Amino acid sequence: DVKVTQSSRYLVKRTGEKVFLECVQDMDHENMFWYRQDPGLGLRLIYFSYDVKMKEKGDIPEGYSVSREKKERFSLILESASTNQTSMYLCASSSSSYGYTFGSGTRLTVV
Amino acid sequence: GENVEQHPSTLSVQEGDSAVIKCTYSDSASNYFPWYKQELGKGPQLIIDIRSNVGEKKDQRIAVTLNKTAKHFSLHITETQPEDSAVYFCAGGTSYGKLTFGQGTILTVHP
Repeated sequence: DVKVTQSSRYLVKRTGEKVFLECVQDMDHENMFWYRQDPGLGLRLIYFSYDVKMKEKGDIPEGYSVSREKKERFSLILESASTNQTSMYLCASSSSSYGYTFGSGTRLTVV
Repeated sequence: GENVEQHPSTLSVQEGDSAVIKCTYSDSASNYFPWYKQELGKGPQLIIDIRSNVGEKKDQRIAVTLNKTAKHFSLHITETQPEDSAVYFCAGGTSYGKLTFGQGTILTVHP
């Protein structure tokens, strides 16, 4: 089975901190995605990557950046965390022949 | 870009009844429509998907229908069981690229 592993299930950070959310997949998928999930809003795409060192903005990239130095790892960075970034963050990977597989999510609280 | 609307936001049924969740999409270029089930504390998991060259697909108690002309697709669950209780998301996009998700439906199956 494809596995997508997010490094933390729960995180509590202070306003203004720089926050790193890590995601690793083990199936050599080309594509990786970061979504945030909020009640009533579904999943909204923050950033995605179709290849190493490539990144593209999704629908809500403001306040976020990403890094993909290796094919299996896709990091989401909150440059200066704010309370409105309190949310569930979901990482996913996919390939041309295999649909999305999601990680279990990281619930981030910014206080 | 793509816009996916999902209804209803909550759905309550008795065990054994059928449940139907509907989604509409806006982008004619979308050709892949997956459905995900998210249980408490877990990431979304793919339960069924349909591509634009197919009108209907079944997998045991679950079926999905697609009407390309009207740009809508639906999830049908028959003979519902308490373990079907979860949040369900529809999505539209390309099979391995960006997916746009609906807002989610909380399905509750009462024993």
